Amino acid sequence: QKEVEQNSGPLSVPEGAIASLNCTYSDRGSQSFFWYRQYSGKSPELIMFIYSNGDKEDGRFTAQLNKASQYVSLLIRDSQPSDSATYLCAVRQAGGFKTIFGAGTRLFVKA
Amino acid sequence: NAGVMQNPRHLVRRRGQEARLRCSPMKGHSHVYWYRQLPEEGLKFMVYLQKENIIDESGMPKERFSAEFPKEGPSILRIQQVVRGDSAAYFCASSPPGHEEEFFGPGTRLTVL
Repeated sequence: QKEVEQNSGPLSVPEGAIASLNCTYSDRGSQSFFWYRQYSGKSPELIMFIYSNGDKEDGRFTAQLNKASQYVSLLIRDSQPSDSATYLCAVRQAGGFKTIFGAGTRLFVKA
Repeated sequence: NAGVMQNPRHLVRRRGQEARLRCSPMKGHSHVYWYRQLPEEGLKFMVYLQKENIIDESGMPKERFSAEFPKEGPSILRIQQVVRGDSAAYFCASSPPGHEEEFFGPGTRLTVL
């Protein structure tokens, strides 16, 4: 079992729709959760981080965390073609220094 | 405030040569992380350093790879006697003390011929 699992996609949504990206993790001691966006040939860019169960909203982005289910998701509202990228889920243990990344989900937003 | 800087952006080496990758963290950031990314794969943690200290190198191959973050100057990831399998994008990230969010540099694309 991979430590951080994501559906590789591609996930295709029409412009203006909600894109839902999912991630599960295996280590129950995980404490910090991050979503990064990576355009092809570019470096990862931090979008959101979440530490507590529940939802965290920032503009069009909402991160959702359920530690009991070991599940974290990212919702993108009003998806735009410029949101087309690979989204990386990342997890860190409590007190740890090592961030474990999922392989990423490729998102396509069709104009 | 300049972001994380990495150089060179592209590096070509022949098998058996040495590769030196440099990373200058953002101003005020004292934590540096190195990652490797193979095509179509996620980022793999290699090493975490603070000034003059290696904190966690559990993701670094035991041979040929080393990293340092001296008191003055950039962090260096050194790969000795490169092989074709070392071809990848190497990313550096930094974070300020007390924070876990990592900010990535543009990466160095290493090609081993």
